[in-house]
Amino acid sequence: DQQVKQNSPSLSVQEGRISILNCDYTNSMFDYFLWYKKYPAEGPTFLISISSIKDKNEDGRFTVFLNKSAKHLSLHIVPSQPGDSAVYFCAASERKNYGGATNKLIFGTGTLLAVQP
Amino acid sequence: NAGVTQTPKFRILKIGQSMTLQCTQDMNHNYMYWYRQDPGMGLKLIYYSVGAGITDKGEVPNGYNVSRSTTEDFPLRLELAAPSQTSVYFCASSYSRSLSLRRYVGYTFGSGTRLTVV
Repeated sequence: DQQVKQNSPSLSVQEGRISILNCDYTNSMFDYFLWYKKYPAEGPTFLISISSIKDKNEDGRFTVFLNKSAKHLSLHIVPSQPGDSAVYFCAASERKNYGGATNKLIFGTGTLLAVQP
Repeated sequence: NAGVTQTPKFRILKIGQSMTLQCTQDMNHNYMYWYRQDPGMGLKLIYYSVGAGITDKGEVPNGYNVSRSTTEDFPLRLELAAPSQTSVYFCASSYSRSLSLRRYVGYTFGSGTRLTVV
């Protein structure tokens, strides 16, 4: 059962245009969402995150939007640059009512973004 | 500041062999994790640890063992390698969840170990 889904395996955009990467989730107990970026032969690196109490978080060219009612989040990259070409993973963390949460993350399958010069 | 260091970067094992994937971090993170990445499958949690001496299973623990004798080190052991364990393995570390949320940061990952079992 895939709790975090990235339905687009790949996306190609032109340099300077907007890249929109999408992520859907099923677990209503997720309260913290993150995006990671991964280059070949490297580990994923943290990009941006958002708490479920917000609907938008912005960091430079990167903005994450959260629609809790639709259980959907998206990452916008504006303007896209060739160096943004990588695999992007969406991840989610679950709130535990009993406390002592482990900070485990559930990852999506990733979207390969290719930014064409 | 090295972050999370994994060794080796590549390894080929024969079926039935054993090996240990090493992971060490120098950020004084209490939490450490092992993930595997299979093509098209995202990252699956194998084992995790919330502190020295404390480990627990993740989603796909079968065929693996871990130990956490120090804050810095979290080795992953494969006892009887099988072709199904061919994958890329990532070690990661983090602050506690509450501290991560306050700082809005996530995991720090190592660069991975590509393991092939033949």
